[in-house]
Amino acid sequence: DTGVSQNPRHKITKRGQNVTFRCDPISEHNRLYWYRQTLGQGPEFLTYFQNEAQLEKSRLLSDRFSAERPKGSFSTLEIQRTEQGDSAMYLCASSLRREAEAFFGQGTRLTVV
Amino acid sequence: SQKIEQNSEALNIQEGKTATLTCNYTNYSPAYLQWYRQDPGRGPVFLLLIRENEKEKRKERLKVTFDTTLKQSLFHITASQPADSATYLCALDPQGGYNKLIFGAGTRLAVHP
Repeated sequence: DTGVSQNPRHKITKRGQNVTFRCDPISEHNRLYWYRQTLGQGPEFLTYFQNEAQLEKSRLLSDRFSAERPKGSFSTLEIQRTEQGDSAMYLCASSLRREAEAFFGQGTRLTVV
Repeated sequence: SQKIEQNSEALNIQEGKTATLTCNYTNYSPAYLQWYRQDPGRGPVFLLLIRENEKEKRKERLKVTFDTTLKQSLFHITASQPADSATYLCALDPQGGYNKLIFGAGTRLAVHP
C-alpha cells in the first residue's frame, strides 16, 4: 500500500466551472477526512466519513461543495460554480480509528482563475 | 473563542542545537494532541500523539510535553539537522471523538549548517 492517493495533483479552472477531486485512502482505513489549506495556514476540517456515511460537515462547506464516499472506499469532493476564494490545497486523510494518526495525501492544489 | 496558537515567526537555529516549538490553545479540553511535519507542497506527516494523562512522550530525537493546566504543548527536536527544516503543525481533536483535527497555523523551522 502506497498511502493515501489524491488526483489530480494540480487543477487550474476558470471561475464558474465545476471540479471534482478524488481520494483513495489506505485500504483498511474506514475513516476519511477532507481538509482545505491556504497559504500560511494549517489545514481546516471540511468533512468526515466513517465508511460510506458522511457524519459531519463543516460550515466552511457551502452548498456548492459535495463529497461522497460510495461503498466506503474512495471519496470524491466536487465544487460547483468555482470562485476565486476556492483556490487552495485540498487534502484528504484517512485513519484506522479514533485517537490514531491521520495519514494525509499529497493534496490537490486548485487554482481558480 | 477557541484558538490554537503557534509561533507565527520562523524559528532559525544552528545545526546541533535543540529546537523548541510552542502550541497554546484556549477554550478547548482535548483528550490528546498531535504534532505533524509539513514540507512545502506536500501533505502533513504525523510525528507524535500525546494524551492528556501523559506529561511527556519521546520518539528518537523528538520530545513532546503536554500541560493541560497551562493549555500548552512544547515540541522539541534535539541535535537538530538541516533535514529537520520544515513547518511543524500542532493539532487537537476538540470533541475527543472521531479524530476530527483542528490545526494551528504552524511554525516554520530552519536549521542552518
